[in-house]
Amino acid sequence: DAGVIQSPRHEVTEMGQEVTLRCKPISGHNSLFWYRQTMMRGLELLIYFNNNVPIDDSGMPEDRFSAKMPNASFSTLKIQPSEPRDSAVYFCASSIQGLANYGYTFGSGTRLTVV
Amino acid sequence: QKEVEQNSGPLSVPEGAIASLNCTYSDRVSQSFFWYRQYSGKSPELIMSIYSNGDKEDGRFTAQLNKASQYVSLLIRDSQPSDSATYLCAARFGNEKLTFGTGTRLTIIP
Repeated sequence: DAGVIQSPRHEVTEMGQEVTLRCKPISGHNSLFWYRQTMMRGLELLIYFNNNVPIDDSGMPEDRFSAKMPNASFSTLKIQPSEPRDSAVYFCASSIQGLANYGYTFGSGTRLTVV
Repeated sequence: QKEVEQNSGPLSVPEGAIASLNCTYSDRVSQSFFWYRQYSGKSPELIMSIYSNGDKEDGRFTAQLNKASQYVSLLIRDSQPSDSATYLCAARFGNEKLTFGTGTRLTIIP
């Protein structure tokens, strides 16, 4: 199994530009999570999907952030316009909904730098 | 609010000794608990999970769960420098999503 695949691994962009992060969950997993990690705030859940449907987006910082999951094998997290305070590592994770004893598998992350 | 708390450390342990990492949680209905290891610059990696009271062993790692006292711990025997990382505790409350602690930074001193 290839695991959770994220792209790009690194992204450097200028303030005001649109940024799109991509994630392919593990085949057969029906829950997908987007996290942001910084030294100051640790690991923060932004949004998660069950069966491609957004369940909880209360962690999305503001309207500049949006996420979609058009099918079971692909999700995007978009930031428009980007700001320097969005600089962080963004992780995607997937799991199987309904299995209480099943953990999350994380992708390798996207390190975003907004200058 | 359901919370998971960890001592942020850093925790320094001599090589070969036992490293003990602790985690407390706020909700008695918590079902399952997970320990993740995160090396600097890498993603969290699941290393142990535990659902029942008592101990669960996997190689040099032992997870301990005490639901009455609402704590879960991870013991690392014969600590190696390669064990130096941040360890994240996570709890699933009922059928909800995982709630993560802020992590404990562990350093193994050669």
